[in-house]
Formats: sequence, structure tokens, C-alpha cells
Amino acid sequence: GAGVSQSPRYKVAKRGQDVALRCDPISGHVSLFWYQQALGQGPEFLTYFQNEAQLDKSGLPSDRFFAERPEGSVSTLKIQRTQQEDSAVYLCASSLQGYPSEQYFGPGTRLTVT
Amino acid sequence: AQKVTQAQTEISVVEKEDVTLDCVYETRDTTYYLFWYKQPPSGELVFLIRRNSFDEQNEISGRYSWNFQKSTSSFNFTITASQVVDSAVYFCALSEANFGNEKLTFGTGTRLTIIP
Repeated sequence: GAGVSQSPRYKVAKRGQDVALRCDPISGHVSLFWYQQALGQGPEFLTYFQNEAQLDKSGLPSDRFFAERPEGSVSTLKIQRTQQEDSAVYLCASSLQGYPSEQYFGPGTRLTVT
Repeated sequence: AQKVTQAQTEISVVEKEDVTLDCVYETRDTTYYLFWYKQPPSGELVFLIRRNSFDEQNEISGRYSWNFQKSTSSFNFTITASQVVDSAVYFCALSEANFGNEKLTFGTGTRLTIIP
């Protein structure tokens, strides 16, 4: 079956621009996660949804970061007024339901802010 | 706070050698889950294994084996008879066993290169 898909795969933004990153989870997966992976580092948690409810957004680095999942399926991570430090790979993952299901990851969106 | 340490940044071994990747974790929880993920050059994280804190039995899956030792807070990963296709970055991760708090805390990863 289809895995987690993310679009775009690559995004170049000028400093100050807004960007929107999309995640299509595996059909039927209740939980959805966003992670940020800087070069040479492990993924770091940003936010987590269970269906349409955002249960944890403790990892969002600033109020410029916003995520939504309005219908409990597709999710969008929005970054406003991008800064160079936002350059990273943004990974989306989904899991069937609750813990301790393993999380299935998408290919990521590589964001470069110039 | 949770923490995962992978002290080995990079490892290179010749094909067919055995290699062990170390993982040490910190958590205040008595119930938790440990994971290993593989990130090949394509970039997509691939799930390898999940263990809960109550099950310290070692596990073997083909050429892969995992050694979980609660006494030393370690969850090490061994690849036997390594192959070139094993070249990747490997991440160890930790999750609390609390509903609504399923996020993974990752280590910094170990880059494994298998030399043909």
C-alpha cells in the first residue's frame, strides 16, 4: 500500500517568505507527527495530532510555526517569515493508533532558506 | 527529561564483519519503549524494531540482533556478516508509554559504512 507522502520534496525560500509543507499519512492512521532534522542530527519532535486534535505542540520552535490537520487526514506545516535557521529536513510520520505503534516516516521536505 | 546517546558518530567496517551500534538512554519513566530506525541515503527512516521496558529478552531477526540491558540503560544493535546494503545512518529512539505523549526522542545517529 501507499506510504506516507510529503510535498514538495524540496523547497527553496527567501528569508521572510512563508512556506507550507504538506503531509499525506497512510490511510487509516490516526496519529500524525512532524519532526525537524538538521544536517547531521537526529529528528527532533515538533508536534503531534491524533485525528484532528493537536495533542502536543511543545516542540514548535517559535510562534512562526503552525500545523493543522483539519479533517484528521492530510496535515500542513506552515512556517511564516522563514529564517535561515529554519533550513532543515521536515519529516512527517504516521502511526495506526496510539502508542506504542511504530511510526512510519515520509521522505521529508528539504527546506533551504536563502 | 528523556535523552538518547549514540556515542559512535561514524563506523566503517569491511563487508562480512560484524558490527555493534551502541545506544544509551535516560528516562525517569518505569515504562517506556525503545526503537531503532535506519536512514539510507534516500533519506526515508525505516522502522527496524520496538521493545518495551518490561521485555529484556534479546531479539534476533536474520542478521540483526538487539541486546536490551535495563541495568545499564542500553539497547545495542548488532549486524552480523555485514553487507554493503547495510550502509546507512542508524538512529536509536525512546518513547514514553503515556497516552497522548507518543513522540520519539532520537539520538544523533551512527553513520555506518560497509566497505566492499
